Amino acid sequence: DGGITQSPKYLFRKEGQNVTLSCEQNLNHDAMYWYRQDPGQGLRLIYYSQIVNDFQKGDIAEGYSVSREKKESFPLTVTSAQKNPTAFYLCASSEGDRGRNQPQHFGDGTRLSIL
Amino acid sequence: GDSVTQMEGPVTLSEEAFLTINCTYTATGYPSLFWYVQYPGEGLQLLLKATKADDKGSNKGFEATYRKETTSFHLEKGSVQVSDSAVYFCALVSGSARQLTFGSGTQLTVLP
Repeated sequence: DGGITQSPKYLFRKEGQNVTLSCEQNLNHDAMYWYRQDPGQGLRLIYYSQIVNDFQKGDIAEGYSVSREKKESFPLTVTSAQKNPTAFYLCASSEGDRGRNQPQHFGDGTRLSIL
Repeated sequence: GDSVTQMEGPVTLSEEAFLTINCTYTATGYPSLFWYVQYPGEGLQLLLKATKADDKGSNKGFEATYRKETTSFHLEKGSVQVSDSAVYFCALVSGSARQLTFGSGTQLTVLP
């Protein structure tokens, strides 16, 4: 089945450490997105990418970095500069420009906690 | 910029009760509107969508009608079940932004 796979499901970070969250999709979607969700709150956009080798900052990009070397992969690195990284991270994809106003499809999320 | 305002929760209902979760929006152009559902510990699943005025999206007994005159997209279900307990998000995407704008989510708890 086509879908979005996020790994790991749970991740722990030590102080001063960078960690990378994986997101892979086999939907042949052009666009991919990373969101952060805090308890009892909505989703906030961290980064997004409309095509390979290009990405844009979202509303809360500080302390995060991404790469888009392959169409199917969009890893997110939470750097030590992100002082409050504990949250639930969601990856999504959509058809992008080829499918204007199409919905985004989401992975099952990664829960990041600080040790 | 675009924005979505959702009815604040939490909402607690008895099984078989009628559900309404209000959603209004502000957007330029002609947005597409969506309802997503999130079960505990999981990602978001698309529940239904509407892409133009007066469209009605429906799925699993849930319905929402795109009302351009009132800029609303209220979610309704005639008879809720315990398994409907989840967080519901209203969202829009407009052609210019090509990004989803989410409401803050509404927690629904259905009691047996």
